[in-house]
Amino acid sequence: SAVISQKPSRDICQRGTSLTIQCQVDSQVTMMFWYRQQPGQSLTLIATANQGSEATYESGFVIDKFPISRPNLTFSTLTVSNMSPEDSSIYLCSIDPGGNEQFFGPGTRLTVL
Amino acid sequence: AQSVTQPDIHITVSEGASLELRCNYSYGATPYLFWYVQSPGQGLQLLLKYFSGDTLVQGIKGFEAEFKRSQSSFNLRKPSVHWSDAAEYFCAVGARSGATNKLIFGTGTLLAVQP
Repeated sequence: SAVISQKPSRDICQRGTSLTIQCQVDSQVTMMFWYRQQPGQSLTLIATANQGSEATYESGFVIDKFPISRPNLTFSTLTVSNMSPEDSSIYLCSIDPGGNEQFFGPGTRLTVL
Repeated sequence: AQSVTQPDIHITVSEGASLELRCNYSYGATPYLFWYVQSPGQGLQLLLKYFSGDTLVQGIKGFEAEFKRSQSSFNLRKPSVHWSDAAEYFCAVGARSGATNKLIFGTGTLLAVQP
């Protein structure tokens, strides 16, 4: 199965700043997703980032706050903009290689002070 | 709307005892169902999945789950728990949106294993 890596693995940021999270896959995949896991909670889908099209955001998430890039079939970035303490979460990327099942990266643990 | 309910927030079992984690879903069509495990500080690992066919599915690490359409349930079981099974377990349903299969997760069940 594909190997998925994320950078950074964790970060501590000041409020009002932005952080870009990278997701790298060792094989080409069309469908990629970004999730947020707030402390003690479940995973919530932020957006679907398919290569060749604009990201599709879920209700409650907007492009200005979470801009996503998908420049090729092995890479994506999620930026958390103008951060506040409420953005403290684990951010995970996942891929669907085409079998209707998703595989997840190790996550990026973000703390906003 | 699609949803997943995991009624048990926290479960403690003794090592060697059997385990059943409950999951109920709400989905209009035939669901794709998944169980994931998240160990402390780790990402999510897929334990098993159900798409169609045999309603009892086998997964990794000795886990199995049974799909019961009449009860809208997909409970996870293991006959004998090991200390390394302590983790958080998430049930998810795949909700199709166009060509994409989005995952909707339950709130998770945190499993503690007593020696």
